[in-house]
Order: sequence, then C-alpha cells, then structure tokens
Amino acid sequence: KAGVTQTPRYLIKTRGQQVTLSCSPISGHRSVSWYQQTPGQGLQFLFEYFSETQRNKGNFPGRFSGRQFSNSRSEMNVSTLELGDSALYLCASSWDGDNEQFFGPGTRLTVL
Amino acid sequence: KNQVEQSPQSLIILEGKNCTLQCNYTVSPFSNLRWYKQDTGRGPVSLTIMTFSENTKSNGRYTATLDADTKQSSLHITASQLSDSASYICVVSPTSGGSYIPTFGRGTSLIVHP
Repeated sequence: KAGVTQTPRYLIKTRGQQVTLSCSPISGHRSVSWYQQTPGQGLQFLFEYFSETQRNKGNFPGRFSGRQFSNSRSEMNVSTLELGDSALYLCASSWDGDNEQFFGPGTRLTVL
Repeated sequence: KNQVEQSPQSLIILEGKNCTLQCNYTVSPFSNLRWYKQDTGRGPVSLTIMTFSENTKSNGRYTATLDADTKQSSLHITASQLSDSASYICVVSPTSGGSYIPTFGRGTSLIVHP
C-alpha cells in the first residue's frame, strides 16, 4: 500500500510570491490534514479537509488556503510569501481525521 | 488556551538503557492523546493512540501511559537502540466525531549513543 506522497519535496521562493504544495493521501483515506513545522514553533495545525470540504482550521492567516479534490488529493496554497513562512509543510491522511494519521515526507519551503 | 508541555527538551542515553519522556497537557475536554516519532528530515510516525479511558498502550518497546485525572502522559522506551534517536512528539486532540484540531508538544529530542 503506497504511503502519503508530497510534491515537491523542496522549494525555494522569494518574498511576495505564491506557492502551491500537493499531497496524495493513502488510497481510501478521505481526510487530509496540513501542518507547518518550524524550529521555533514546532508542529502547528493548518487545516483539515474531508470529502472536499474544509472541516477544521487552525490559527493561520488567510494567505494560507487549501482544497481537496474528489479523489482526496489535496493542495495547499500560500500567497504573498513572507520570510517566516519558511518551514517544513507536512500533510497527513487518515480514514476520518481522528483516526491514526499517516504523514508524508513533507515539503521543505525556503523563502528568500 | 490548550497547551501541551513535554519534558525533557532533550535527552542523551546509552544504547540498551531505558528512558521515560513526559507530556503534560491542559487540553479539555480530551478525546485522545498520541505519541509520534519523527526522524530527522522525515514525517512523524504514529507510535500509540490512547483515548481518555485508556491507561496504557504498548507498541513493541514503546509503552505509553495516561493519567487523565492529572493530565499527564509518559512514553517509556525499553532497551533503547541507536535507531530510537529521534524527536518524540506528544499530541492531544480536544474533541472527536469530526472536529479534530490537535495541539502539539514541542517534542523531546532523544539521542542514543553506542
């Protein structure tokens, strides 16, 4: 059974640009959650999508958005990038959010 | 405000020794508590998941305990191996049934020396 995949694995952007990250969940999983991990703040919850609907949202500005497609694949978008957005972005899939989550390897975003 | 505090921040032990990591939380009402292991440069991997009614859960050499009254959890690692070197993260979920907004601890960095 294939695990959670994230693309791209590494990304370098400059301030003001926007970026889109992709996550393909484990087959059959309907919930996809996104997290930001930084050395200073640790892991922080961004949002969760279930059956194409955003079901939960963390405390991040509106520059962070996402969506989920009918095949459960999810994308996360960050607009008007700031230096502080440099982080490891992780997505995790599960059958129903509150079940065991399986994380992808993450996308390392560097904002210059 | 929901908080999860982990201690110690870092720990160095010799291979073969046991160790215990602590997690204190203020999240309430409480749905479940999870322990994850995260190797450098990789995504976290689930070790244990416990609901508020469970006191202990084991996964091989990893044993998690939970005291919902004192809002404390511990992760005990038995007969440590070099591959146990990683960050261990405690995560607490405040609700269940579709509303899932987890609160993460900052993690304990464990280094196992030969």
